Amino acid sequence: DQQVKQNSPSLSVQEGRISILNCDYTNSMFDYFLWYKKYPAEGPTFLISISSIKDKNEDGRFTVFLNKSAKHLSLHIVPSQPGDSAVYFCAASARGGGNKLTFGTGTQLKVEL
Amino acid sequence: DTAVSQTPKYLVTQMGNDKSIKCEQNLGHDTMYWYKQDSKKFLKIMFSYNNKELIINETVPNRFSPKSPDKAHLNLHINSLELGDSAVYFCASSLRAGTSAKNIQYFGAGTRLSVL
Repeated sequence: DQQVKQNSPSLSVQEGRISILNCDYTNSMFDYFLWYKKYPAEGPTFLISISSIKDKNEDGRFTVFLNKSAKHLSLHIVPSQPGDSAVYFCAASARGGGNKLTFGTGTQLKVEL
Repeated sequence: DTAVSQTPKYLVTQMGNDKSIKCEQNLGHDTMYWYKQDSKKFLKIMFSYNNKELIINETVPNRFSPKSPDKAHLNLHINSLELGDSAVYFCASSLRAGTSAKNIQYFGAGTRLSVL
């Protein structure tokens, strides 16, 4: 039973364009959402997060949007750079869940020159 | 000055053996975690400890036993290794729930375990 889903296993974008990575969730108890970036042979690295009381959070080139009614969030990267090529994981946690993170299966982003 | 470090990075062993993976963090966090990433790249939590106390224990075979000698260390011992235990195991740490930076977990580079 996958409570966090990333339905696109891969995405290819040209350098300078916008990358949009999507994530859907089913558990209405989730109240905090995070995006992690992972390079091969490294651990996931925290990128950006959003609380369920907000619908947008921005940090430099990265913006996360949350649509609670649709149980959907997205990560926008503008402009995309070759160094952004990595696997992006969406994760969620629920209040009272002891900081347990539930991860999606990841989307491989490739930014081409 | 690695924040969360795991050893070893690679571990190749025979079925039936017992092995340990060590994890240490120097971030001053008091909560640590073990995750398993299987062949389908699915990252799933196994355990978490807060100040040496077990707070999350997912449905994991009891062949897996975490040990936290202090809040900066969380080791994972696996008895009687099976083929299905082959995976990448990640350690992570964070501040405890209820703090302002809750749930931002910092990960180690992973330990790739291959059981032959």
